Amino acid sequence: TQLLEQSPQFLSIQEGENLTVYCNSSSVFSSLQWYRQEPGEGPVLLVTVVTGGEVKKLKRLTFQFGDARKDSSLHITAAQPGDTGLYLCAGGDGNEKLTFGTGTRLTIIP
Amino acid sequence: NAGVTQTPKFQVLKTGQSMTLQCAQDMNHEYMSWYRQDPGMGLRLIHYSVGAGITDQGEVPNGYNVSRSTTEDFPLRLLSAAPSQTSVYFCASSYSRGVFYGYTFGSGTRLTVV
Repeated sequence: TQLLEQSPQFLSIQEGENLTVYCNSSSVFSSLQWYRQEPGEGPVLLVTVVTGGEVKKLKRLTFQFGDARKDSSLHITAAQPGDTGLYLCAGGDGNEKLTFGTGTRLTIIP
Repeated sequence: NAGVTQTPKFQVLKTGQSMTLQCAQDMNHEYMSWYRQDPGMGLRLIHYSVGAGITDQGEVPNGYNVSRSTTEDFPLRLLSAAPSQTSVYFCASSYSRGVFYGYTFGSGTRLTVV
């Protein structure tokens, strides 16, 4: 069974600060995705990365896939209260089955 | 709106009762799956389907059955509910294109077994 460890598990920071969330595994993944989930809702896809070393930017969010395709990071610049939520990484093994990480619960304090 | 629709939103069952969680998508997605989400454990795959008439087990299939008679619908049946099945259940769908572009999730069913 492939495992994805996310750190930190909880993060609470002030509005305007920067932060990075990590997703690590001992397994190689063919793709890596990040989702954001708000209370009472299902996860919503933010990004998919498929190439080792790939970097994608989505406004103030920057996603990176590790060179060995075993890890990923999510960096948020100038965090805003609207960024609050549960962030989940998920690794794909070449088909549509995903292994999800345990999540990082992010709170941005106004 | 197009998407994945789950019903009911909330459900309370007594131990031993059975029920079906409904899931329907209108995006013509081939791939559908069921996950359960428990605190500190992330999302765990219960069952999945790569197309109508084809289903397979995920990581935690015991106590659950699925069928896929149409592309649109993928119901999850709890055979004899147990307190350990108290969880939030999510249905998800995606295109099956080789390179995986990600799931669209429903809004979930919160199930409590007493």
